[in-house]
Amino acid sequence: AQSVTQLGSHVSVSEGALVLLRCNYSSSVPPYLFWYVQYPNQGLQLLLKYTSAATLVKGINGFEAEFKKSETSFHLTKPSAHMSDAAEYFCAVSDGSGGSNYKLTFGKGTLLTVNP
Amino acid sequence: DAGITQSPRHKVTETGTPVTLRCHQTENHRYMYWYRQDPGHGLRLIHYSYGVKDTDKGEVSDGYSVSRSKTEDFLLTLESATSSQTSVYFCAITGDLPSVEQFFGPGTRLTVL
Repeated sequence: AQSVTQLGSHVSVSEGALVLLRCNYSSSVPPYLFWYVQYPNQGLQLLLKYTSAATLVKGINGFEAEFKKSETSFHLTKPSAHMSDAAEYFCAVSDGSGGSNYKLTFGKGTLLTVNP
Repeated sequence: DAGITQSPRHKVTETGTPVTLRCHQTENHRYMYWYRQDPGHGLRLIHYSYGVKDTDKGEVSDGYSVSRSKTEDFLLTLESATSSQTSVYFCAITGDLPSVEQFFGPGTRLTVL
């Protein structure tokens, strides 16, 4: 079974500050990892994904995440927060296998607030 | 953007009534999923489909049924709605490798009074 833990249900940063959203996973097989963003009253949008290639993954809107196997982590970062980054962020894990029907397991989400 | 639509987008119903939510895709993807989103719980998988007439349960399937009679449509039915099923429901799709990410629809907000 797979699981995801997102540390911090709410993170608040100042505009221009570093954004760090934490995600730890548990998986018995090499994982595929994803970060999604959800703006108010919208569906989820893929930010970036790790699929066993480069461990540092760059996504949209200046976000990036680093896969660290030894720490079972996939933290999301952005060097300088913008007001438009305010949203809820979800980390998800999959075993990337058709045998599991590509099901995702999501973390509970982290709400990011950006203060002016 | 992936071609996924959900209908209705909003619905208010009463306890005990049947409700059907529809997910429609134009991507010809094999896999489709229904999730519910509740505060503090993230997204939880209700049911999923891996082909026409091929469906299976997710982690929170009690009180829900699904049907997929053609590739593009995946229906979620609440046979007798309860207040605990008040939630936002999302449909998602994915294809086979190498694309394993899921693409989400805009959601349906369901209120059961």
